Amino acid sequence: AQKVTQAQTEISVVEKEDVTLDCVYETRDTTYYLFWYKQPPSGELVFLIRRNSFDEQNEISGRYSWNFQKSTSSFNFTITASQVVDSAVYFCALSEGVNTNAGKSTFGDGTTLTVKP
Amino acid sequence: DGGITQSPKYLFRKEGQNVTLSCEQNLNHDAMYWYRQDPGQGLRLIYYSQIVNDFQKGDIAEGYSVSREKKESFPLTVTSAQKNPTAFYLCASSVIAGGGLNEQFFGPGTRLTVL
Repeated sequence: AQKVTQAQTEISVVEKEDVTLDCVYETRDTTYYLFWYKQPPSGELVFLIRRNSFDEQNEISGRYSWNFQKSTSSFNFTITASQVVDSAVYFCALSEGVNTNAGKSTFGDGTTLTVKP
Repeated sequence: DGGITQSPKYLFRKEGQNVTLSCEQNLNHDAMYWYRQDPGQGLRLIYYSQIVNDFQKGDIAEGYSVSREKKESFPLTVTSAQKNPTAFYLCASSVIAGGGLNEQFFGPGTRLTVL
């Protein structure tokens, strides 16, 4: 069975601070995919990034960066120079690569990030 | 614009009544999903469908039913058997090809309150 743990329930930072959201996963598959989604106050989840289990390269997209480490089963998300608009709930998710469960994701409980001006 | 629509955004029902939540997508996605979100909790999968006329139970299917008669539509019925139906319900869709690699696209959600 697969599992995603986001140990940080809530994080509060002041604007311009850097913040890292942790994600630890469990799976028995050798092929799997990791995702981060953002849920703003409006409620609709927005896809941010996908990583497959064979690609451990870190990725940077503007102020966002992701650190994938298979050795520790972690896929952490860092926001640099946070802004008020980053305030949202962030979810980490895991999908396995087997066809019988194609597309089915397991989500963590989410981390609520509040960025204060 | 392509996307997923859910209606209504807010829904109120009396206890004991069945209620159907609508989900429509025009992304031509094969797979569709229903999630339930409770305050401070993550998304829990209710049902999912990978193809028309076929669907599978998720982790919390008891008290819910679905149908998939058309590719673009995946309505969810919350029955009176669901013990605690008040929650935020999210519908999503994704491409199927490639297994689990495809991200899901979400609708705006329906907040159901049972009085």
